[in-house]
Amino acid sequence: QVQLVQSGAEVKKPGSSVKVSCKASGGTFSSYTISWVRQAPGQGLEWMGRIIPILGIANYAQKFQGRVTITADKSTSTAYMELSSLRSEDTAVYYCAREIYDSSGARFDPWGQGTLVTVSS
Amino acid sequence: QSALTQPRSVSGSPGQSVTISCTGTSSDVGGYNYVSWYQQHPGKAPKLMIYDVSKRPSGVPDRFSGSKSGNTASLTISGLQAEDEADYYCCSYAGSYTSYVVFGGGTKLTVL
Repeated sequence: QVQLVQSGAEVKKPGSSVKVSCKASGGTFSSYTISWVRQAPGQGLEWMGRIIPILGIANYAQKFQGRVTITADKSTSTAYMELSSLRSEDTAVYYCAREIYDSSGARFDPWGQGTLVTVSS
Repeated sequence: QSALTQPRSVSGSPGQSVTISCTGTSSDVGGYNYVSWYQQHPGKAPKLMIYDVSKRPSGVPDRFSGSKSGNTASLTISGLQAEDEADYYCCSYAGSYTSYVVFGGGTKLTVL
């Protein structure tokens, strides 16, 4: 059974960067796709982008292009999401999720527990 | 890449049925049979409830069902129970070759 465990909460200054990790256990990491989704306080879910570790290919939502970098380390079964030029509006809980897109269907399952990133001066 | 449109809130009494709609465009909901639904309780991560419009993962009660017509998908919960009170989000693939993902704004379900 696949489990995703994320790194702990972060407090960052405006203009800085944050890097959140997502460690997978169970299954074969290199065959996953990992997506990142964020949720601002009291708001809805927002897809940021994904990485396909076996290919080393990432693609990003237009809104985050140029500011987000998603990477994966197959040796440690860990995916990373780095967001730069942080502003107060980036305060949110950031989730990683395994994205399944194959003959069995398309879905996000499971999800990590979430990482709160607070941007404040 | 605009968010899908959901009602902000719906409510129902225990035992009743409620339906949550999710409206998109021909570039997302209407273009692919890849609509999924997620339940989120306060302070918790989202949980998959429905995928590929109407498929139910193992462990999800059959009280939950999904459908789609044109650019609008729907989640129906029958036999409402107190534990169903949560936020619900729809999700669809979008763009060329399903390269992007878009979520709905979320619907708060209140069990009266």
